[in-house]
Amino acid sequence: QVQLQESGPGLVKPSGTLSLTCTVSGDSITSDNWWSWIRQAPGEGLEWIGEMYHRGSTNYNPSLESRVTFSIDRSTNQFSLKLNSVTAADTAIYYCAATGGYSYSYYYWGQGTLVTVSS
Amino acid sequence: ELVLPQSPGTLSLYPGERATLSCRVSQTTNSRHLAWYQQKPGQAPRLLIYGTSYRATGIPDRFSGSGSGTDFSLTISRLEPEDFAVYYCQQYGSSPRYTFGQGTKLEIK
Repeated sequence: QVQLQESGPGLVKPSGTLSLTCTVSGDSITSDNWWSWIRQAPGEGLEWIGEMYHRGSTNYNPSLESRVTFSIDRSTNQFSLKLNSVTAADTAIYYCAATGGYSYSYYYWGQGTLVTVSS
Repeated sequence: ELVLPQSPGTLSLYPGERATLSCRVSQTTNSRHLAWYQQKPGQAPRLLIYGTSYRATGIPDRFSGSGSGTDFSLTISRLEPEDFAVYYCQQYGSSPRYTFGQGTKLEIK
């Protein structure tokens, strides 16, 4: 059973960089999965941030692409998100997710972590 | 931000009733590219339906999905108390790769 767990600071200052890590257990980060980040502003719907494959391929949401960077650490079985130049509009619950064997949809989700952008 | 329109925004029904939720995409989409999720307060979304009509592992058979082209629907045949939640459709496309619906809140009448 694949499990995902987000970690990182819960508070980021405006204009700073949001950094989150997702730890994968129950599967290898080098398996045939697209590893993704999805966020949800308080009381709002879901927004897809992007996805990455362990061989280095990435796809980002065009609305965030200029500020987002993904990375993978095979040694720790983790993948990470960096979002720079944050504003209050980036305040959200951030989920890491994976398709699993369900192409074009997300079966595995982390519990989510709230990141607040505030001075 | 691109968001798929879902209807209704809120649906009020009694346990035991049938619920039908709709999702419309802007362009004809491959039926493999449409999914539905359930989200309860304080929880991550849970995959219910993938590929328009296939139930994910562990999903009760009272949940069913259908549709083609631009119009898709999720039906819950007989509502159980635990089914009252927010439901999102999701489309796999080109740019962005994934787009979610605005959500339908299913509430107890």
